[in-house]
Amino acid sequence: DVKVTQSSRYLVKRTGEKVFLECVQDMDHENMFWYRQDPGLGLRLIYFSYDVKMKEKGDIPEGYSVSREKKERFSLILESASTNQTSMYLCASSGQTFYNEQFFGPGTRLTVL
Amino acid sequence: AQKVTQAQTEISVVEKEDVTLDCVYETRDTTYYLFWYKQPPSGELVFLIRRNSFDEQNEISGRYSWNFQKSTSSFNFTITASQVVDSAVYFCASIGGSEKLVFGKGTKLTVNP
Repeated sequence: DVKVTQSSRYLVKRTGEKVFLECVQDMDHENMFWYRQDPGLGLRLIYFSYDVKMKEKGDIPEGYSVSREKKERFSLILESASTNQTSMYLCASSGQTFYNEQFFGPGTRLTVL
Repeated sequence: AQKVTQAQTEISVVEKEDVTLDCVYETRDTTYYLFWYKQPPSGELVFLIRRNSFDEQNEISGRYSWNFQKSTSSFNFTITASQVVDSAVYFCASIGGSEKLVFGKGTKLTVNP
């Protein structure tokens, strides 16, 4: 079974802090994704990566950056956390083409105070 | 661009009732894929099914069935004899020419005992 793990289930940070969210997949998938999920807005794509050191902006990249130094690991970085970044963050991965199903991690619920 | 509409925000049924979750998609692409995901209260999105635009055959998996109709741009999901464990938010999603999976806003299904 595909397994996607995220470093924390719950995280509380203060405004202005630098925040790292880590995601690891164990299926040698080429593609990895970061979404945020907010009530009434559904899932929105922040960034994605189709290879090591490659990254592409999603629909809402502002205030975020990403890093993919190894194939299995995709990090989401909030350079200076703000209260409007309080959300559920979901990581996903998929193999080969983008048409393949994405497998999701359990999510990180981030609260920025 | 892809667009996915799930008009039903919330549905409540009593156990053993059949329930259909609607999904309408918009696309200009000839080749596209449709998905359904389940998000139980634990938060992790679980992949249920993927369908490509060239395969209009209906699919049945246990109590779950999917009806894909290109003529109405719909990909509806039916749960037969619903159970309390089916309570979750269900997302329909679509991907076409771009690399981005587009999600509907989700339908929250509550199955009462």
